[in-house]
Amino acid sequence: DIVLTQSPDSLAVSLGERATINCKSSQSLLYSSDNKNALAWFQQKPGQPPNLLIYWTSTRESGVPDRFSGSGSGTDFTLTINSLQAEDVAVYYCQQYYSTPPTFGQGTKVEIK
Amino acid sequence: EVQLVESGGGLVQPGESLRLSCAISGFTFSNYWMHWVRQGPGKGLLWVSRISSDGSDTHYADSVKGRFTISRDNAKNTLFLQMNNLGAEDTALYYCVRGGFNYGRGIDYWGRGTLVTVSS
Repeated sequence: DIVLTQSPDSLAVSLGERATINCKSSQSLLYSSDNKNALAWFQQKPGQPPNLLIYWTSTRESGVPDRFSGSGSGTDFTLTINSLQAEDVAVYYCQQYYSTPPTFGQGTKVEIK
Repeated sequence: EVQLVESGGGLVQPGESLRLSCAISGFTFSNYWMHWVRQGPGKGLLWVSRISSDGSDTHYADSVKGRFTISRDNAKNTLFLQMNNLGAEDTALYYCVRGGFNYGRGIDYWGRGTLVTVSS
């Protein structure tokens, strides 16, 4: 199985500042046929199901604010939240859909400093 | 609006069975792969199972293989998860999830979940 390791486990960021979450995969997630990385990011607020933010590493889901962005390739990926808002407090998960079983990172808790 | 509504969770004793259901609306169910993902209390997300759009192809996590069976009724827009020989490690919130892209491997919409508690 592909193991995804997120860092840090938690971080506290001031309102309006940038939050950066990293996700490292034990194997490459790159489809060489079309040069796309099968990596998604989900946001889970307390008491709610996860919500898809980004897929194919950097494509924002419809309705997701543009302060959320994803980057990376191969085995190293990043979710960046620019200008953190109070409503961004949540746990963020990366997830690979390159191979079966699909796997998730352990989660990163984002709080307000 | 895409809606996935799980039901069938509850408190059971170790070794017992449960059948979860997920009622689908807002999209053409028969066109999509579907998944179950679970989340233990205070824990992260763990993929459980996946079924193809016509029900002919299924996959399971090693931890549930041989005990859980995923199925679907496309005429009734309903996804199922039959869970047998439940153990304490199966205690979790079970989410019904749509495989919305990458030939069903990529997941997008989630239900709110149904809670399964296995305890004596």
